[in-house]
Amino acid sequence: ETGVTQTPRHLVMGMTNKKSLKCEQHLGHNAMYWYKQSAKKPLELMFVYSLEERVENNSVPSRFSPECPNSSHLFLHLHTLQPEDSALYLCASSQAGENTEAFFGQGTRLTVV
Amino acid sequence: GESVGLHLPTLSVQEGDNSIINCAYSNSASDYFIWYKQESGKGPQFIIDIRSNMDKRQGQRVTVLLNKTVKHLSLQIAATQPGDSAVYFCAESSSMDSNYQLIWGAGTKLIIKP
Repeated sequence: ETGVTQTPRHLVMGMTNKKSLKCEQHLGHNAMYWYKQSAKKPLELMFVYSLEERVENNSVPSRFSPECPNSSHLFLHLHTLQPEDSALYLCASSQAGENTEAFFGQGTRLTVV
Repeated sequence: GESVGLHLPTLSVQEGDNSIINCAYSNSASDYFIWYKQESGKGPQFIIDIRSNMDKRQGQRVTVLLNKTVKHLSLQIAATQPGDSAVYFCAESSSMDSNYQLIWGAGTKLIIKP
C-alpha cells in the first residue's frame, strides 16, 4: 500500500466509449501526475498538477483530458481512444516544490478494442 | 535531448549472488537520482535515492553508487532473493527544474535463477 489508489485496476473500452480513470492519494501531497507505461518504453509523463494547477502537458492528444478537483484527487477522462492507447496508466503524487521521490499507484491496465 | 538510459535490458542472477544494475545519464544539471522497483502488475515502488553531494548510499541490502564524473549510477542488491525479481528503473531530476520532473530510464529486468 503506497498511499496512492487507482481505480479501476483494469478497463476494456471501445474506441467510441467515454470512460474516466480515478486516482486518490492519502499522503498529504500537493502534486499529482499521470504517466503512460507501454511495453519496452520508458515511462511517459503525460500531465502534472501542482497545487491543483496544471503545470505540464507533454503534447498529449486531446482525447485524454485530466481533471484535478483538489490536491487529493486526479482524474483522466478518456474519449474516442485508439488501440495504440492501450497501456498501463500510472498515477503518482509527491510534494510540490521539493526534489523528492514520487509515490505511485498500482496503475490501470487499459485495453482499447 | 537529455536522457537516462540503461546498459542492459535483462539481467539474470543466481539466487544468493549480488546483482548490479547500471544506469547512465546525460544531464549534467541532474542532482537527484532514484531507483524504483516494479513488480509484475504493480506500480513502481521507491527503493533508494541519492543526491549529488554523495557518492554512495546504503539501504537494507541495497547500495546506490553515483559517479558524477562519468554520469553513471548503479544499484547493488546483496544476496539476491526470488522476491527481487522485477524491473528496475533509474530516474533523475534537477533542482534547476522548477517542477523537479523525473526523467526515466527504460528499465532493466532482473531475473533470479534458483
